[in-house]
Amino acid sequence: KQEVTQIPAALSVPEGENLVLNCSFTDSAIYNLQWFRQDPGKGLTSLLLIQSSQREQTSGRLNASLDKSSGRSTLYIAASQPGDSATYLCAVSDTGRRALTFGSGTRLQVQP
Amino acid sequence: EAGVAQSPRYKIIEKRQSVAFWCNPISGHATLYWYQQILGQGPKLLIQFQNNGVVDDSQLPKDRFSAERLKGVDSTLKIQPAKLEDSAVYLCASSLGREGQARRGAFFGQGTRLTVV
Repeated sequence: KQEVTQIPAALSVPEGENLVLNCSFTDSAIYNLQWFRQDPGKGLTSLLLIQSSQREQTSGRLNASLDKSSGRSTLYIAASQPGDSATYLCAVSDTGRRALTFGSGTRLQVQP
Repeated sequence: EAGVAQSPRYKIIEKRQSVAFWCNPISGHATLYWYQQILGQGPKLLIQFQNNGVVDDSQLPKDRFSAERLKGVDSTLKIQPAKLEDSAVYLCASSLGREGQARRGAFFGQGTRLTVV
């Protein structure tokens, strides 16, 4: 059974810092990995998707990497802003049903 | 393109009552998912549909939860009778289907926040 772990559970940084969020998964037979953002009381917004054959994806100030063999992914946020404050969720899709298994998230607060 | 639509946004019910949630996926998306997200946790899959057939309902508490997807489009999730531990956000998601999911992933609705008192 796939298990996804995110570290740290919570993070508070001053504005302008670069930061790294970590995600690990137990079964390396994944189809893809998605990073989501969730604002309080809202649904999930997809940030980046990395297919199993890819190593990284970039969107603006966000960069996500994937090391499938070691079961790890990182989300790098450059020059953090108060508007980045949210919960960030990592999810992996299995090769069979393709449903997503989620981590518990990292709650990020960027102080102005 | 229009996103995944869910209703209602909020619902408060007493334990042992019944409740139903509705989801309209993105047009053309063959796969539909219902997830349960308890406060402080990541979403957990309840049921997955491919068109109007069930792909996986292994984590659906079938003694009280039921779901259907009419004509392979809209879906409803029902809880009867509700328990206190069912208080959570219920998220609906959709994707293009097995291959489409690989390239573009899943898209989520705003969710329905259920409080059972």
